[in-house]
Amino acid sequence: QQQVKQSPQSLIVQKGGISIINCAYENTAFDYFPWYQQFPGKGPALLIAIRPDVSEKKEGRFTISFNKSAKQFSLHIMDSQPGDSATYFCAASNMGSARQLTFGSGTQLTVLP
Amino acid sequence: EAGVAQSPRYKIIEKRQSVAFWCNPISGHATLYWYQQILGQGPKLLIQFQNNGVVDDSQLPKDRFSAERLKGVDSTLKIQPAKLEDSAVYLCASSFGIRRWTGELFFGEGSRLTVL
Repeated sequence: QQQVKQSPQSLIVQKGGISIINCAYENTAFDYFPWYQQFPGKGPALLIAIRPDVSEKKEGRFTISFNKSAKQFSLHIMDSQPGDSATYFCAASNMGSARQLTFGSGTQLTVLP
Repeated sequence: EAGVAQSPRYKIIEKRQSVAFWCNPISGHATLYWYQQILGQGPKLLIQFQNNGVVDDSQLPKDRFSAERLKGVDSTLKIQPAKLEDSAVYLCASSFGIRRWTGELFFGEGSRLTVL
């Protein structure tokens, strides 16, 4: 599988702050970039996703920024809340072929009250 | 709508023993995936089925792991014999088939395996 590199491994943010998680990919054939959120004891669930034809996608407090030339994308969580405390995974896929996701290594986010 | 069901949720075995995990995907989802998630790492794809056929098993350790989806619905993942490094959460996911794939995978809660 082609790699997707994610950083940081862990992140601690105060309530109301901005959480930023970064990912970089190698395979230029990737054309779908989702972020998944996982709470302890649960499976990952889709949070937000972007296609490379746009540079930014916003859904509520969650925004994906995408830089095609740098092969990087990031998740921004505005006004972070304690309920956002979870592990976040970036992923990538080639929509035209195998229909499978390659995941990053995850970021454990803790939002302090 | 019912989600992806997995069982058992937890399993503890000795090394060299065998174990089997079961998955029932969301109704109507043609594609089924088994992922391995080792503590502190992202999910790693083991095998992908489209209906009852294997699409990709390139990362499945075939000397000890096997999986089947005989009727194109439920799936079973088996490990025999288990090694210490197999300790992980085994996640099953499903999605719409190739013609209707939206990019979203729907995951079950996983089966946590501890090998002693």
